[in-house]
Amino acid sequence: GENVEQHPSTLSVQEGDSAVIKCTYSDSASNYFPWYKQELGKRPQLIIDIRSNVGEKKDQRIAVTLNKTAKHFSLHITETQPEDSAVYFCAASINFNKFYFGSGTKLNVKP
Amino acid sequence: NAGVTQTPKFQVLKTGQSMTLQCAQDMNHEYMSWYRQDPGMGLRLIHYSVGAGITDQGEVPNGYNVSRSTTEDFPLRLLSAAPSQTSVYFCASSYSHRDQETQYFGPGTRLLVL
Repeated sequence: GENVEQHPSTLSVQEGDSAVIKCTYSDSASNYFPWYKQELGKRPQLIIDIRSNVGEKKDQRIAVTLNKTAKHFSLHITETQPEDSAVYFCAASINFNKFYFGSGTKLNVKP
Repeated sequence: NAGVTQTPKFQVLKTGQSMTLQCAQDMNHEYMSWYRQDPGMGLRLIHYSVGAGITDQGEVPNGYNVSRSTTEDFPLRLLSAAPSQTSVYFCASSYSHRDQETQYFGPGTRLLVL
């Protein structure tokens, strides 16, 4: 089955700096890659996603890039704010059926 | 819309007991899934369904059963609870239509098996 690896496991940045989280996947058939934000004690919430026919997608301060050849995708958060502090998960899916998640990145934005 | 609802919010079981975690969605989504989340780990897929009457196994299906008799409901049954099943369980519903996809998670059920 699919294997998704996520790095780093923890990331600490100063408010206003950028944060980058990287994921790799193993199954070249995966074609949908969402990112989720999970605050402590809450449910995961979708923040951005990308399909395999797109190389980059941006939504305000958040962007995701995908390199199909290298089988990796990344989350970029610019101008980080304290409210961005949370655990972020990447995932990969084939045709929106099974979803395989990375192990998560705990982002801490220091004021 | 209530979105995705899960009951109970918290449950304590003794080893060997059985129980059913309830999940319901009112968005008419085709896909529904069950995940477990353990400390320091991502979500692992237990079972999923692509429509009423259709279910399939995920990464960690052992010890769990599911059924999907209606579009709205997707209960997860623990057959004989074990301490290794102590976890937070999330149900999710999702749809994919014309390049629009999304997945909504329920609030979770925290399960402790003694």
